[in-house]
Amino acid sequence: QSALTQPASVSGSPGQSITISCTGTSSDVGGSNYVSWYQHHPGKAPKLMIYDVTKRPSGVSDRFSGSKSGNTASLTISGLQAEDEADYYCSSYTSSSTWVFGGGTKLTVL
Amino acid sequence: EEQLVESGGGLVQPGRSLRLSCAASGFTFDDHGMHWVRQAPGKGLEWVSGISWNSGTTGYADSVKGRFTISRDNAKNSLFLQMNSLKTEDMALYYCARGRGDSIRRGFDSWGQGTLVTVSS
Repeated sequence: QSALTQPASVSGSPGQSITISCTGTSSDVGGSNYVSWYQHHPGKAPKLMIYDVTKRPSGVSDRFSGSKSGNTASLTISGLQAEDEADYYCSSYTSSSTWVFGGGTKLTVL
Repeated sequence: EEQLVESGGGLVQPGRSLRLSCAASGFTFDDHGMHWVRQAPGKGLEWVSGISWNSGTTGYADSVKGRFTISRDNAKNSLFLQMNSLKTEDMALYYCARGRGDSIRRGFDSWGQGTLVTVSS
């Protein structure tokens, strides 16, 4: 159960778009329809932003979108806003019937 | 509004046991799989365990398999995590999380605030 690989940090200016990658293997991201993304502000409960690779829960801004190609999933945030600054985690259901998270990416809005 | 409230955390010596609880409200508890996810100090999120709506399916991270047991009581809208043979590396904030749907396959769509487990002699 090795953690998925995410960049440690990304940054962007307000209004710009950024993409966070999440690389796994064919046993998790590549072979799973169940990839999720979470936003985590320190001291608060994590929040589901994307589920089932591309789906957005009700109430989540359409500025957030998810995609997948091969063993890599991606979260794109368009029209960056100050409140988007947070830690972001990807996760994937695996062929072993477990879940694995990425190491997390700290998003800084400049 | 759905709410998840964890309890049972605290200071425990290595090798001892602790039982975490999660009280659910505001939704139909037995419509959902449930999970425990932890975050060690300064580290990222780590999935610990999950259980389907009827307890028919459970899963564990390799790091806790054989030491931790997840269970639920649908009549009491409660989720539990029995943690035995605790190690210093189990020290973390433990979150209770609701699964989307009744299995453990979908993402986690609602989270509690967490309960802190400290393992130290």
